[in-house]
Amino acid sequence: GENVEQHPSTLSVQEGDSAVIKCTYSDSASNYFPWYKQELGKRPQLIIDIRSNVGEKKDQRIAVTLNKTAKHFSLHITETQPEDSAVYFCAASKEGYSTLTFGKGTMLLVSP
Amino acid sequence: NAGVMQNPRHLVRRRGQEARLRCSPMKGHSHVYWYRQLPEEGLKFMVYLQKENIIDESGMPKERFSAEFPKEGPSILRIQQVVRGDSAAYFCASSPLGGGNQPQHFGDGTRLSIL
Repeated sequence: GENVEQHPSTLSVQEGDSAVIKCTYSDSASNYFPWYKQELGKRPQLIIDIRSNVGEKKDQRIAVTLNKTAKHFSLHITETQPEDSAVYFCAASKEGYSTLTFGKGTMLLVSP
Repeated sequence: NAGVMQNPRHLVRRRGQEARLRCSPMKGHSHVYWYRQLPEEGLKFMVYLQKENIIDESGMPKERFSAEFPKEGPSILRIQQVVRGDSAAYFCASSPLGGGNQPQHFGDGTRLSIL
């Protein structure tokens, strides 16, 4: 089955810096890659997703890149703010298989 | 437009009791997924259901766990004879379509504690 590895497990940055979280996946058939943000005690919230027919997608300060050859994808957050502090999860799924396989998460701490 | 609704938010049970977790999907969503999250871990898939059908239960333990999504009413995740290791946050998600590549929207979860 699919295996998703996520790095780093914790990431501390200063407000205004950029943050990058990386994930690798094992199943070359995977073609949908969402990212979720989870604040303490809250629900995972979908913040951005990318499909395998594109290499990059942006939404304001958030971008995701995908390298299908290398089987890795990354989340980029620019101009970080304290409210970006949360645990971020990457996930992968493939056509005809609705379940998501999640990485173990990255705790992002943005210091003022 | 109400999101995915889960109840209860917190549930305390003693070892050997039964736990029932409920999930109402977003309006217009007919696909429901249950995930379990242990402390400092990612979300682990348990079961995927459509109305009156279990599509994939490959992530669910064979014993003591069952799930249903009846024609009327919420989806139910049932854990019989709970043990301490069942303590976790259980999240439900829903999507309008199945077949993969569909955004899943999560509820607030049920935090199950076993005494």
